[in-house]
Amino acid sequence: GAVVSQHPSWVICKSGTSVKIECRSLDFQATTMFWYRQFPKQSLMLMATSNEGSKATYEQGVEKDKFLINHASLTLSTLTVTSAHPEDSSFYICSARDQWQAGEAFFGQGTRLTVV
Amino acid sequence: SQKIEQNSEALNIQEGKTATLTCNYTNYSPAYLQWYRQDPGRGPVFLLLIRENEKEKRKERLKVTFDTTLKQSLFHITASQPADSATYLCALDRGNTGKLIFGQGTTLQVKP
Repeated sequence: GAVVSQHPSWVICKSGTSVKIECRSLDFQATTMFWYRQFPKQSLMLMATSNEGSKATYEQGVEKDKFLINHASLTLSTLTVTSAHPEDSSFYICSARDQWQAGEAFFGQGTRLTVV
Repeated sequence: SQKIEQNSEALNIQEGKTATLTCNYTNYSPAYLQWYRQDPGRGPVFLLLIRENEKEKRKERLKVTFDTTLKQSLFHITASQPADSATYLCALDRGNTGKLIFGQGTTLQVKP
């Protein structure tokens, strides 16, 4: 199956700093990628949709100025958590679909963010 | 709004038995439903997709059923193995946009 690579797999940062997470589709092109967040013992919640060459769309309640998304190419989307606070500590996961194959989504391995 | 419910209680079964997981949804008529496996600290891995016009789908030891009248999907693992221990998520696609709504997942523990 298709591969989505996410980097880093974990990061610890100080409160007030920014952290960038990368998501790459390795063997297919993705005009759209998705960013999810998962808190302990909870399911994945969609945060935003990353659109290549245009602005990201955010789910209700997600601050666009805090979670900056850039989708500069057909294989790379980045999520930057700005001015991170301890409550932003979570598991962030990206996904992508092969634009020619509707249905199944391919997920990155996730990034564990801890803000201290 | 669309809602998906899975049995949040962990399912413990003996190796070799069949595990059956349930996914119910409301306020939606999906064109298809998906099942994923998630191991601790990892992203979900796609298992099966079943379309609204399919009653049942199989892949090796996995079987999924889809009842659009009951708004329910059942996920079966036959001849379960300890390696099948994981959290299983069902997901619906919002309007075939790729935006997935996930159930809370059911954790399966297969004991040797």
